[in-house]
Amino acid sequence: DTAVSQTPKYLVTQMGNDKSIKCEQNLGHDTMYWYKQDSKKFLKIMFSYNNKELIINETVPNRFSPKSPDKAHLNLHINSLELGDSAVYFCASSQDTGREKLFFGSGTQLSVL
Amino acid sequence: QKEVEQDPGPLSVPEGAIVSLNCTYSNSAFQYFMWYRQYSRKGPELLMYTYSSGNKEDGRFTAQVDKSSKYISLFIRDSQPSDSATYLCAMSFGSSNTGKLIFGQGTTLQVKP
Repeated sequence: DTAVSQTPKYLVTQMGNDKSIKCEQNLGHDTMYWYKQDSKKFLKIMFSYNNKELIINETVPNRFSPKSPDKAHLNLHINSLELGDSAVYFCASSQDTGREKLFFGSGTQLSVL
Repeated sequence: QKEVEQDPGPLSVPEGAIVSLNCTYSNSAFQYFMWYRQYSRKGPELLMYTYSSGNKEDGRFTAQVDKSSKYISLFIRDSQPSDSATYLCAMSFGSSNTGKLIFGQGTTLQVKP
């Protein structure tokens, strides 16, 4: 049973399109995250949700909109995709106590052409 | 200057060698120090976790934190080909911890049989 699963694994799309990435965790964690890893492997937080409430919103363009229907799910919708959005997007989750211990999904490789 | 600096490598060692991986940081407010291991095309997984200064050992892995020098290290004894991966250091704040981790760029390690 995969603890943090995200779909799709690969996403290839044209500039200007809108796409979504879905994430689900079965660990019973209250906090979920979206991280972005660029081509140089830098991993940077984008958003964090605690029990469906947004608690971290880094300086991310408005084209990125996270949605958490319940505490086990966190989706990421991206509007008007740009070349610079090409990256690997990781979903992660953690317990409230011990937020340093993140459990990551296997990532979504987004390629914008 | 980035908050967390890590030499990206790559670092290539023969099987059985002792590996030393390091990170430096600039923000003295960091309280939690982590090492994550990331295999190719996978999400990072937590390897070691240390609060404040000191050493922590887990099998072949030892994590050291020197807050006075703003320097952390990960040592791998008797390295194995299965240790070949990218190692990311990560840090976060103490009482105000929101789960936001600041990652280093990652060091790519190859252990040759």
